[in-house]
Amino acid sequence: AQKVTQAQTEISVVEKEDVTLDCVYETRDTTYYLFWYKQPPSGELVFLIRRNSFDEQNEISGRYSWNFQKSTSSFNFTITASQVVDSAVYFCALSEARGAGGYQKVTFGIGTKLQVIP
Amino acid sequence: DAGVTQSPTHLIKTRGQHVTLRCSPISGHKSVSWYQQVLGQGPQFIFQYYEKEERGRGNFPDRFSARQFPNYSSELNVNALLLGDSALYLCASSLWGLAGGFEDTQYFGPGTRLTVL
Repeated sequence: AQKVTQAQTEISVVEKEDVTLDCVYETRDTTYYLFWYKQPPSGELVFLIRRNSFDEQNEISGRYSWNFQKSTSSFNFTITASQVVDSAVYFCALSEARGAGGYQKVTFGIGTKLQVIP
Repeated sequence: DAGVTQSPTHLIKTRGQHVTLRCSPISGHKSVSWYQQVLGQGPQFIFQYYEKEERGRGNFPDRFSARQFPNYSSELNVNALLLGDSALYLCASSLWGLAGGFEDTQYFGPGTRLTVL
């Protein structure tokens, strides 16, 4: 069974603080992909990052960084020096191949609502 | 380049009615997936289509159906609407890679917010 757990339902931080959003996943597959998406109040899911199960290098993109640890099945997301525009719901997602013909089944976590207070 | 587009933006229906939601993928993308997002939850997978064929289906009743057209656009149909069908319906498009698509990044549209009264 696949499962993505985002234990932090809501987080509030003051602007310029750093914040880490946690994601823990479960899978029996050896090959899989992990994603982070941002959902602002407008509703559209915005892609942030994709990571495959064989690449455990951490990644940094501007104020965003991701820490993938296969040993603990975690894929955490850190925002450095948070800004008000970072306020949104953030989703972690797991993608695996399924079915005889193959399709992409993506399982999302419940999301973490981040509020950055000015 | 245009992103994924969906129509309509909002829709209000009553129980028992039927609804059709539409999605146009990013140019060059051949796969479309549909998700249902209930308030306060993450998106739940409904269908994935590739080259006009249903390739995968989530745990949704037969009242939910979809199809993909030769231009790769897609429709999601829901019959006999229930109050519990009220949700944001998201469409995502992806290229569909050599490995059967599961490595793809899915790009999402703005969604259709369906309210069932």
